[in-house]
Amino acid sequence: AQSVTQLDSHVSVSEGTPVLLRCNYSSSYSPSLFWYVQHPNKGLQLLLKYTSAATLVKGINGFEAEFKKSETSFHLTKPSAHMSDAAEYFCVVSLSPYNFNKFYFGSGTKLNVKP
Amino acid sequence: GAGVSQSPSNKVTEKGKDVELRCDPISGHTALYWYRQRLGQGLEFLIYFQGNSAPDKSGLPSDRFSAERTGESVSTLTIQRTQQEDSAVYLCASSSRRTSGNEQFFGPGTRLTVL
Repeated sequence: AQSVTQLDSHVSVSEGTPVLLRCNYSSSYSPSLFWYVQHPNKGLQLLLKYTSAATLVKGINGFEAEFKKSETSFHLTKPSAHMSDAAEYFCVVSLSPYNFNKFYFGSGTKLNVKP
Repeated sequence: GAGVSQSPSNKVTEKGKDVELRCDPISGHTALYWYRQRLGQGLEFLIYFQGNSAPDKSGLPSDRFSAERTGESVSTLTIQRTQQEDSAVYLCASSSRRTSGNEQFFGPGTRLTVL
């Protein structure tokens, strides 16, 4: 069985301060992990992905995520939040890069950035 | 095409009517997924197609929901006898075996409102 848990439904930070969005997964296999962002009234956009290469993954817009197998975590970080980062973020896990299967979405974390 | 397209972008219907939603995946993408996103909630898996294999229908919420895809082309999601709880954004995504990590590319969605 596998699933993904986003530990915070809402996160609020001030502009210019660090962002941490937490994600834990459970999987019996080597997972592929993704973070997607959804801005209001817009489609889902891939931020970054982990596919068993480097454990520290750099994505677009200054976001990073680190795969920690021992902690079964894939937390999303950014050193300095911008107002434009306000959106909903989804952590996603899939079974394997080379098998087609269902993608398991976390319930989402809404990021609010205060001026 | 350049990306996944969906039509219509918005659909308003009366309770009890049937609706058909269309998804055009990226050319060459063998996998196609349908998701539902209710207002303020995360993504709910509905169904996925992989090439000519039998689709995984395990996420369809009731027998009023069905989907078809011919080969690796267009897919249609049909909802019969719509209910108010069917109101949601329906998202389609496609992915490719040749894309490392099975990244999903999402369409803009169809916003369905059942009156």
